[in-house]
Amino acid sequence: EPEVTQTPSHQVTQMGQEVILRCVPISNHLYFYWYRQILGQKVEFLVSFYNNEISEKSEIFDDQFSVERPDGSNFTLKIRSTKLEDSAMYFCASSVGIVDEKLFFGSGTQLSVL
Amino acid sequence: QQQVKQSPQSLIVQKGGISIINCAYENTAFDYFPWYQQFPGKGPALLIAIRPDVSEKKEGRFTISFNKSAKQFSLHIMDSQPGDSATYFCAASKEGGSEKLVFGKGTKLTVNP
Repeated sequence: EPEVTQTPSHQVTQMGQEVILRCVPISNHLYFYWYRQILGQKVEFLVSFYNNEISEKSEIFDDQFSVERPDGSNFTLKIRSTKLEDSAMYFCASSVGIVDEKLFFGSGTQLSVL
Repeated sequence: QQQVKQSPQSLIVQKGGISIINCAYENTAFDYFPWYQQFPGKGPALLIAIRPDVSEKKEGRFTISFNKSAKQFSLHIMDSQPGDSATYFCAASKEGGSEKLVFGKGTKLTVNP
């Protein structure tokens, strides 16, 4: 089965630093997402992206966050100035469409902000 | 109103038994209810999903039961196997979509051999 690939698997950063999390969605998918999971808590929606623009975002996705599809294959999440509370597992996901469509998740990037 | 409440938090079942995980929601605009399975170190993977126009959906050993009036849905795993040991998340979204899923807090299932 095709996979969503995320790099790096672990990222450690200092508070206030910028981080970029990278994802390669499945090649024929058109919708891309970022979710996060704080340790021991539920998976939370951050943002969805379609046709080179954000289609939905949650209250968590504030001005410190941005997404980009720089080259037609990669999909990135940038956190401009990390905070301690940004420490979480960040999952990228993609799907062919929206309605009744299976979401494929990557294995995640564990972000630790010190 | 955006919450999906999931129980139990953890569940231990003997091999061959039935595992039952329950979820409840408040937002009547939700119309797509998937269940995701997550193994340690992996992302969630779609297991089975249901729309509110049916009360039950079965795929192999996995069945979703849906009660629209009670705003509840549940996952039943028949003949549970040690390989089913994982964390299970229910989720919900509006407009039948995979977009902006609202997840429950998860149930850690352990199936003892």
